[in-house]
Amino acid sequence: DAKTTQPNSMESNEEEPVHLPCNHSTISGTDYIHWYRQLPSQGPEYVIHGLTSNVNNRMASLAIAEDRKSSTLILHRATLRDAAVYYCIRFTSGTYKYIFGTGTRLKVLA
Amino acid sequence: NAGVTQTPKFRVLKTGQSMTLLCAQDMNHEYMYWYRQDPGMGLRLIHYSVGEGTTAKGEVPDGYNVSRLKKQNFLLGLESAAPSQTSVYFCASSYSVFGPAGDGYNEQFFGPGTRLTVL
Repeated sequence: DAKTTQPNSMESNEEEPVHLPCNHSTISGTDYIHWYRQLPSQGPEYVIHGLTSNVNNRMASLAIAEDRKSSTLILHRATLRDAAVYYCIRFTSGTYKYIFGTGTRLKVLA
Repeated sequence: NAGVTQTPKFRVLKTGQSMTLLCAQDMNHEYMYWYRQDPGMGLRLIHYSVGEGTTAKGEVPDGYNVSRLKKQNFLLGLESAAPSQTSVYFCASSYSVFGPAGDGYNEQFFGPGTRLTVL
C-alpha cells in the first residue's frame, strides 16, 4: 500500500515549533517523501520534499528517519497562517502519481 | 503569471447532465492532472497528461473523460453526471516528474478548485 499514515489532527500554540509525524513503513528505495499543505478553500501547495537526508527550506524542515519508515515535518515557529491540512505523500521519481493520504489538520492557537 | 486557473468555480448539475471543466496553465508545464477531493479526504487522481495530445487514467477515472489538445489546457468532461460525482475538483500542473535536477522534485501547482454539486 503506497499510502502514508498521519494523525488526524494536532494543535499548537502560536510561535511554538510543531512536529508533524508521518509513517511510511512500506516505502521503497526510490520513493521520495513530499509534503503539501492545503489552506481552507484552496488547492494544496508544496512545502518540502526529501529522499534520505534531512532537508531545510524557507517554509519548514523535513527530518527523515534513518530506516526511512517515518518522517517528520517541522514548522519552527507556528503562526495562525500555518493552520491547514498537511499531507505527507510518497512519490516515486519518474512516475506521475501523488498518492494523498487523509492528512493532519493543524490548528494553531493564538 | 496567473499560474493554474480553473473554470467555472462553482456548478450545480442535475443527474444525467453533462459538463466540461477547463484548466489552463501559463507555466509551460508538460504534465497536467485532474484530482477530486471528497469531504474529509485527500485528493484522488482522476486522469493525467504527460504532454499535448496524451492522456492516461489515474486512480478513479470511471465516469470522466479528458482531452489535452493544447499544452496549456486540460479539459475534464462528465458525460452523464451522477450524485456520486459531487466533489471539489482540482487541476494541477508540473514541470516534469524528474525535476530540473533529477532529484525527485515534482512540485505540482494547483488551481483554486471547482465545487461541483450533482442533484
